[in-house]
Amino acid sequence: DAGVIQSPRHEVTEMGQEVTLRCKPISGHNSLFWYRQTMMRGLELLIYFNNNVPIDDSGMPEDRFSAKMPNASFSTLKIQPSEPRDSAVYFCASSGTGVSEQYFGPGTRLTVT
Amino acid sequence: LAKTTQPISMDSYEGQEVNITCSHNNIATNDYITWYQQFPSQGPRFIIQGYKTKVTNEVASLFIPADRKSSTLSLPRVSLSDTAVYYCLPMNRDDKIIFGKGTRLHILP
Repeated sequence: DAGVIQSPRHEVTEMGQEVTLRCKPISGHNSLFWYRQTMMRGLELLIYFNNNVPIDDSGMPEDRFSAKMPNASFSTLKIQPSEPRDSAVYFCASSGTGVSEQYFGPGTRLTVT
Repeated sequence: LAKTTQPISMDSYEGQEVNITCSHNNIATNDYITWYQQFPSQGPRFIIQGYKTKVTNEVASLFIPADRKSSTLSLPRVSLSDTAVYYCLPMNRDDKIIFGKGTRLHILP
């Protein structure tokens, strides 16, 4: 089992540019989560999908952030335009049974200069 | 969602047993208690979950008293590789997970 796959692992971009983060969940899992982690704010849930449908996006910081899940094996998190305060590690996680046992990917470290 | 309190940090030595206690005074009847572990530069990893009494797996044991207002994660004979942040999360199947600050465990040689 390959686990949750995220790409890219590192992204450095300039302020104002569009950033797209990608996630492939574990096959057979029906829930997918996007998180953001910073030293100041810790690990925050951004959005949660169940069966490809967004269930809770209350953690999405503002309209610059959007997430999609076009099918059960792929999701994207897009930031447009990016700002330096978006610099963080972004994790994708998936689960097959409720939300309590989630499997996290390796994360994407985003730096916006 | 139950509010949790756990120590910000702990130090221990290799070979010792480490117990991390989390208080969750307003835990709901249908909440389970879940613990995650996060190593530096990695995503969190589910390690154990329980409802009451004691649960044990290959990684840890989880002790939950009858009133369920606290829980204790026990790591037997820790090694340097157990240095990580440990998160306590009371929740039910349909809650969204809210990770607090966790407990930063530092194992010394």
